[in-house]
Amino acid sequence: QKEVEQNSGPLSVPEGAIASLNCTYSDRGSQSFFWYRQYSGKSPELIMFIYSNGDKEDGRFTAQLNKASQYVSLLIRDSQPSDSATYLCAVNQGAQKLVFGQGTRLTINP
Amino acid sequence: EPEVTQTPSHQVTQMGQEVILRCVPISNHLYFYWYRQILGQKVEFLVSFYNNEISEKSEIFDDQFSVERPDGSNFTLKIRSTKLEDSAMYFCASSATGWDTEAFFGQGTRLTVV
Repeated sequence: QKEVEQNSGPLSVPEGAIASLNCTYSDRGSQSFFWYRQYSGKSPELIMFIYSNGDKEDGRFTAQLNKASQYVSLLIRDSQPSDSATYLCAVNQGAQKLVFGQGTRLTINP
Repeated sequence: EPEVTQTPSHQVTQMGQEVILRCVPISNHLYFYWYRQILGQKVEFLVSFYNNEISEKSEIFDDQFSVERPDGSNFTLKIRSTKLEDSAMYFCASSATGWDTEAFFGQGTRLTVV
């Protein structure tokens, strides 16, 4: 069974600091990597996607991909209380299927 | 901004009854999906649908489940004989071109089987 692993947390970060979220995956054939944010009782909301090794920045968010190590991360700069949520790492498996990690619960403390 | 719309937001049904969950994907998207999330657990893939047929399904998607695109806009998930363990949040998603583009999720239907 191909898996996506995340530390379930909770991860607690002070407001204004950098939050670092990590994800590993087991399927070397995966080519697309996604970070979703999920507030309690709500649906996953796409934050970023990354396909190539290296960093991809979008505002306060930076996704990092290392295919050799099968590792994806998400950095959130200048963390805000509104960033408190569960962050889901998702990886494509085959043509049309996303496999999700269990999510990391992030709390930003004012 | 285009969005995926799901109805109803909450469905309560008795065990053994049939339910149909409805979704309107984003209009120019070609790939449609159903995922589910049991309370406190991870989001799980159920099925993907492209060109009016199922393209991939998980082991969860057994004979009691079916999907249909009855017209040009709706995408439905039918559960024929619901079980208590079918209680979950069901998310519909769509994407423009499959794995190489992001999937957008609807707000979900909370299914409670009693």
